[in-house]
Amino acid sequence: EAEVAQSPRYKITEKSQAVAFWCDPISGHATLYWYRQILGQGPELLVQFQDESVVDDSQLPKDRFSAERLKGVDSTLKIQPAELGDSAMYLCASSFRGYEQFFGPGTRLTVL
Amino acid sequence: QKEVEQDPGPLSVPEGAIVSLNCTYSNSAFQYFMWYRQYSRKGPELLMYTYSSGNKEDGRFTAQVDKSSKYISLFIRDSQPSDSATYLCAMSAGTQGGSEKLVFGKGTKLTVNP
Repeated sequence: EAEVAQSPRYKITEKSQAVAFWCDPISGHATLYWYRQILGQGPELLVQFQDESVVDDSQLPKDRFSAERLKGVDSTLKIQPAELGDSAMYLCASSFRGYEQFFGPGTRLTVL
Repeated sequence: QKEVEQDPGPLSVPEGAIVSLNCTYSNSAFQYFMWYRQYSRKGPELLMYTYSSGNKEDGRFTAQVDKSSKYISLFIRDSQPSDSATYLCAMSAGTQGGSEKLVFGKGTKLTVNP
């Protein structure tokens, strides 16, 4: 069964350091999403890609976060510098039809 | 007022019970309604989706949408210990200027006791 792959699964970093997360969507899914999930909350969209283009990044803190999907397949989300409040689960999802989004296992980030 | 409200629970039931999970929402533009199951430290898993109002059944799971009341429900029949997880409702207005973002509730933590 096709799945969304993410790495690393866990990341511990100190504040002010740079971190990067990688996502490989389900093959054939043109739409890719990055969500952030704070403990005890539902996921919130950070950025949506359609192929290699950004469709929605209105909730992405652009002073420290960046995302790219250069060839319209896999994607990288970067945080620089990391802050204590960035500790959360970062989830990648992909879809063929927008309302059916399939999530990866997530990257759990802890900022010390 | 948040766009999607969901009682976080926790909810504890005995094995075999019927479970009812609910969400309310305020955005009348929402057309697609989803339920996700999330086990501890895992990504959300899509359980069911419904377009507009009505019911949808899949095995032990039934999803209901009442757009007039802005209220959605998920029923689990003959609940099993393996159903113990956090259940997230999610909604989308569909493509609006290209964005298809899902708006999630906080999730309800369910425990089914053997």
